[in-house]
Order: sequence, then C-alpha cells, then structure tokens
Amino acid sequence: GQQVMQIPQYQHVQEGEDFTTYCNSSTTLSNIQWYKQRPGGHPVFLIQLVKSGEVKKQKRLTFQFGEAKKNSSLHITATQTTDVGTYFCALSKAAGNKLTFGGGTRVLVKP
Amino acid sequence: DAGVIQSPRHEVTEMGQEVTLRCKPISGHNSLFWYRQTMMRGLELLIYFNNNVPIDDSGMPEDRFSAKMPNASFSTLKIQPSEPRDSAVYFCASSASGGGYGYTFGSGTRLTVV
Repeated sequence: GQQVMQIPQYQHVQEGEDFTTYCNSSTTLSNIQWYKQRPGGHPVFLIQLVKSGEVKKQKRLTFQFGEAKKNSSLHITATQTTDVGTYFCALSKAAGNKLTFGGGTRVLVKP
Repeated sequence: DAGVIQSPRHEVTEMGQEVTLRCKPISGHNSLFWYRQTMMRGLELLIYFNNNVPIDDSGMPEDRFSAKMPNASFSTLKIQPSEPRDSAVYFCASSASGGGYGYTFGSGTRLTVV
C-alpha cells in the first residue's frame, strides 16, 4: 500500500526562526493534505494540494506540492509559540477514500 | 454545526470488559472513519464507511474489534474483550464527498485498559 515518510520527526525551533517539514511518497499521489494536532488535541485540517507544483499560503504557512507529485513540504516563517504541535501530511487515492497519515513532525518552540 | 461528536471522552476499564465508543458525524458528511493513535504506531485507520456501508476494515486489529453504522448520524466501535494493548486515543472523523475540505476529526476517546 501507499506509504508516506515525514522528516524530521522532531523539530526544535527558536521563536522567530523558520523551519520546513517534508513529506515523501514512493508513489505518485493524486492529492495530499496537511493537518495540525496541538498537544492533547485532535488533528485539524489545514489544506489540500492537488496540482503538480502547486503552492498555497496561509499567513506564515507555505505548502508546496512537488512537480512529480511524490513529495510535499510545509514551511513556517517566523515561528511563534502558537505553532507548537504535530504536523501531519496525509494522502488518499480519491475523495472519500481512506487517508494514510505520515508519522508527523513534532514541533517545539523555544521562546 | 457542533462538529464530530465522540463519547465518552475518557474511558477506563478492566481487561476483559466490553468497551463501546460512539460517534456522531457532521450532518451531510457521507464518509466516516475510525482511527487509533498511539505513540508507537501513530495514526492508524481502523475502518471507514461510505454512505453507512463499511468499505475497508483491513485496519481492524482482530476479531475483538467491530464497528457499525446503523444510520447516517451514528457509528459505534466496540472492543470485546478489551486488552491493555488496546489503550490508545480513538478518533472518529467524517468528510463530505469531494474531500476538498479535508476530514473533520472528533475530540477523541482516550481509552485505558488496566
């Protein structure tokens, strides 16, 4: 089945710095989704990427889908303490089908 | 909309007991998913339904686990008998057809089997 690797597993970031988390698949993806889970919380949908090379921004968050649709990245600019949490990428074959989640990148922010 | 509603929020039970977790999806969403989250295994899909019909239960660990969706507004996940290794957070999620707005997760049920 489809598998997705996320790196790094952990990211300690100084407040104000930027960081990037990566999601890699061995197969071509139809789309990829990103979620954020705060400590003690539940995953919350952030965005879906569908097109090759697509770039979407949400304030300080920039999401990118690779040209070959096998990888994706999430870049956070000027990290804040509110960015603490685990960021997951997730892939599915089609709408309504099951989502396979990556292992997540756990982000800790040092004030 | 109140979102996806799960109950109970916390459940502590003794090994061998039956446990039933409940989920009410968002009205109008036609897909429902049960996930389990542990530190060791991350987020695992157990089973999902489309239009109340089970589509893929390959993630269900073993016969002790069963799930039902008798109607569009209610689903249950049952573990009988429960074992300590079943301790985890169980999430229910729902989505609308098209999926472009992602999956909406409930707050989860933290299950502890002692």
